[in-house]
Amino acid sequence: NAGVTQTPKFRVLKTGQSMTLLCAQDMNHEYMYWYRQDPGMGLRLIHYSVGEGTTAKGEVPDGYNVSRLKKQNFLLGLESAAPSQTSVYFCATAEFRREQETQYFGPGTRLLVL
Amino acid sequence: AQKVTQAQTEISVVEKEDVTLDCVYETRDTTYYLFWYKQPPSGELVFLIRRNSFDEQNEISGRYSWNFQKSTSSFNFTITASQVVDSAVYFCALAPNTDKLIFGTGTRLQVFP
Repeated sequence: NAGVTQTPKFRVLKTGQSMTLLCAQDMNHEYMYWYRQDPGMGLRLIHYSVGEGTTAKGEVPDGYNVSRLKKQNFLLGLESAAPSQTSVYFCATAEFRREQETQYFGPGTRLLVL
Repeated sequence: AQKVTQAQTEISVVEKEDVTLDCVYETRDTTYYLFWYKQPPSGELVFLIRRNSFDEQNEISGRYSWNFQKSTSSFNFTITASQVVDSAVYFCALAPNTDKLIFGTGTRLQVFP
């Protein structure tokens, strides 16, 4: 039972390159979220999903796309990376169809865009 | 506005001291939830507590305790007899009824031996 896993753990990109971050969960949770964490700014929501096949924008969605083709996976894509996207990215899941259920986080992906 | 303020950016204490991390929130909702998460140096986010707006009872879990006061919109976290392993960044978060989870900017706690 791995909980929430994120792939990769660390990545370096050049400006303009693309990449996909994978979040996988084995807890059968309905809700999944992508956050970014920047120094002094806490965590900010990028996109989220309330179930398989659904996605919605969060607080800072620009420059990112997401997909939830399978319930257990939530992908975050950067089509053309920019230095401003250098950050630590966290995936989170929540069990029930309620907004305020506890979120459980993955270990994070550290991304550096040069 | 709906926001969470953690005014203490960094706190340093010596082991065995008690320390309180402050959290003040703003929301227009009457139903909401409050959370605390711990982020140790390894980087993961560890869930500590979830409290709903209708339960103002203080909570104690070992050396950890939480004081929820709706009158002052605060949800403070106290560590009693701090240990080096408590060194981490602690985040307070608010889940309003009508919005997503909102995090504070975190308080870095350093506990020195």
